[in-house]
Amino acid sequence: GAGVSQSPRYKVAKRGQDVALRCDPISGHVSLFWYQQALGQGPEFLTYFQNEAQLDKSGLPSDRFFAERPEGSVSTLKIQRTQQEDSAVYLCASSLGVYRGYGGNQPQHFGDGTRLSIL
Amino acid sequence: TQLLEQSPQFLSIQEGENLTVYCNSSSVFSSLQWYRQEPGEGPVLLVTVVTGGEVKKLKRLTFQFGDARKDSSLHITAAQPGDTGLYLCAGEGFGNEKLTFGTGTRLTIIP
Repeated sequence: GAGVSQSPRYKVAKRGQDVALRCDPISGHVSLFWYQQALGQGPEFLTYFQNEAQLDKSGLPSDRFFAERPEGSVSTLKIQRTQQEDSAVYLCASSLGVYRGYGGNQPQHFGDGTRLSIL
Repeated sequence: TQLLEQSPQFLSIQEGENLTVYCNSSSVFSSLQWYRQEPGEGPVLLVTVVTGGEVKKLKRLTFQFGDARKDSSLHITAAQPGDTGLYLCAGEGFGNEKLTFGTGTRLTIIP
């Protein structure tokens, strides 16, 4: 389809393992966002890219979290030495990215997320 | 830490009743968005309100942005089982695209 695609949909890993989560944005979308959603809560911002440039990574919880978008399209969120508190749904969103100033940005379109469980 | 507080956190009502969900913050936002999220899916945008005091209607849903651009409400008239889901408000800051989401309201409509 033409929406944001995330893979895998489910990931189970043992504590201490490294994981990589993939996001395929909508074709032509300039901006790409990663959010973390704990069970029963609203998503929390992790990081965002405009093309290949990572403009804001203020939401990354620790230096174990790393995101990249080397060619300005597909993005990967990597978590090293996973811990149980990393268990959550990781959502990716993309947008046309043109900041319209006062009056709101282009809307973000979300994927269905990757549910990560750390045992 | 989530800067947008939603109330109530959970709401379960009978089909046909009316309800209001509130989204409050001490921060000012350039605009505020409302999303609905189904289990196993990503949030889907319902509406964006931009101007302080603005009211938008989407069929049985009415959205209002507070005059001071710090709060918003979602009112549903004659709720239907299809309205069941997690409702999220999200604020846009000034000069960036980052969204700050609310704590969420899980709504259940009983047939």
